[in-house]
Amino acid sequence: GAVVSQHPSRVICKSGTSVKIECRSLDFQATTMFWYRQFPKQSLMLMATSNEGSKATYEQGVEKDKFLINHASLTLSTLTVTSAHPEDSSFYICSASWEGLAGRETQYFGPGTRLLVL
Amino acid sequence: RKEVEQDPGPFNVPEGATVAFNCTYSNSASQSFFWYRQDCRKEPKLLMSVYSSGNEDGRFTAQLNRASQYISLLIRDSKLSDSATYLCVGYSGGSNYKLTFGKGTLLTVNP
Repeated sequence: GAVVSQHPSRVICKSGTSVKIECRSLDFQATTMFWYRQFPKQSLMLMATSNEGSKATYEQGVEKDKFLINHASLTLSTLTVTSAHPEDSSFYICSASWEGLAGRETQYFGPGTRLLVL
Repeated sequence: RKEVEQDPGPFNVPEGATVAFNCTYSNSASQSFFWYRQDCRKEPKLLMSVYSSGNEDGRFTAQLNRASQYISLLIRDSKLSDSATYLCVGYSGGSNYKLTFGKGTLLTVNP
């Protein structure tokens, strides 16, 4: 149980295009979903926190108009990188929090999406 | 100062060695801590939680010292499969269960 999927696993796109990344909790309904970004040899940096049916909460320095988050249901959140540029190339990881297995809120991570903007 | 700071590493140890990772945190309001491991180009996976009393899981022992704001992870009898980046993670509470990740320490266990 507690499996989180992400799609696509990797994407290469041209500068200026938009890229949508999906995050799904496959066997549980997530209380909250999170989006992280990780540059090479750096730690995971939280970009935004998302709850179903409400607007995402963005971390300081993260542009909400560039990184659009839609949380359509308790099992699906999407991140759209609009007008992507080479500096947006990174490893994007989502996580979903759930109390079920551990008896307390635990974050379960998706496998990540590697974005390369040319 | 970053909220969670770790030994920069990298650590290179022979199989069977004991290795210890250290982590300090700056937010005294932090409630819980975790150790995650992240394999190359993969997502982080929860290794173990750390509580004030400390805890042990097989070859892994985690300790928390709130007075010193210090967390440690000890790996005994290291295996080749332990090679990974170990992330110290703090949780400071709130309704959204926000995690703060350290930069990670790379461990390579050599045959």
